[in-house]
Amino acid sequence: QKEVEQDPGPLSVPEGAIVSLNCTYSNSAFQYFMWYRQYSRKGPELLMYTYSSGNKEDGRFTAQVDKSSKYISLFIRDSQPSDSATYLCAMKGSGEYGNKLVFGAGTILRVKS
Amino acid sequence: GAGVSQSPRYKVAKRGQDVALRCDPISGHVSLFWYQQALGQGPEFLTYFQNEAQLDKSGLPSDRFFAERPEGSVSTLKIQRTQQEDSAVYLCASSSVRGHEQFFGPGTRLTVL
Repeated sequence: QKEVEQDPGPLSVPEGAIVSLNCTYSNSAFQYFMWYRQYSRKGPELLMYTYSSGNKEDGRFTAQVDKSSKYISLFIRDSQPSDSATYLCAMKGSGEYGNKLVFGAGTILRVKS
Repeated sequence: GAGVSQSPRYKVAKRGQDVALRCDPISGHVSLFWYQQALGQGPEFLTYFQNEAQLDKSGLPSDRFFAERPEGSVSTLKIQRTQQEDSAVYLCASSSVRGHEQFFGPGTRLTVL
């Protein structure tokens, strides 16, 4: 079993819909949680970064972390066709040797106009 | 306002050839990471540098993989005697000394024939 599980999709939604993307993880040492967006043939682009449990909002994006359930979510409001991409969750521990990111497999999102 | 840059963007190698992939991190970023991304998967950690010191190379898949960062800025990932299973996108990321966010380059797509 992988340390981070993410449904690969694809997830197809109409323009304007609220999108919910999720990851589960098994390593309780993870403390930093990130969401990246990756367009085809591009590098991952950091969208959201959260420390420990709680919510964080940035424009149309909201990230939620529930450490007790080992479950993280990314919500996208008023989705646009330009949001069509692969969304990767990533997480890491702390300390000098907790620097590497562990990624989910990514969820493909398609927003139809 | 340069981000992380990588070269070449695409590399085709015959099986058995040696390749060298270059990464220029964001100016002033102390930490540098290499990841390997197979098709349809999330990136997987290869190795981590803090300045010129390689602090973690636990993700390198074999002794054919070698990375260096001799002056603490530009890094090179070298793969000797390439095999077909080495075909992937190789991503470089950098972060500041206190930053937990990692910023990625566009990647080098390696195809081994």
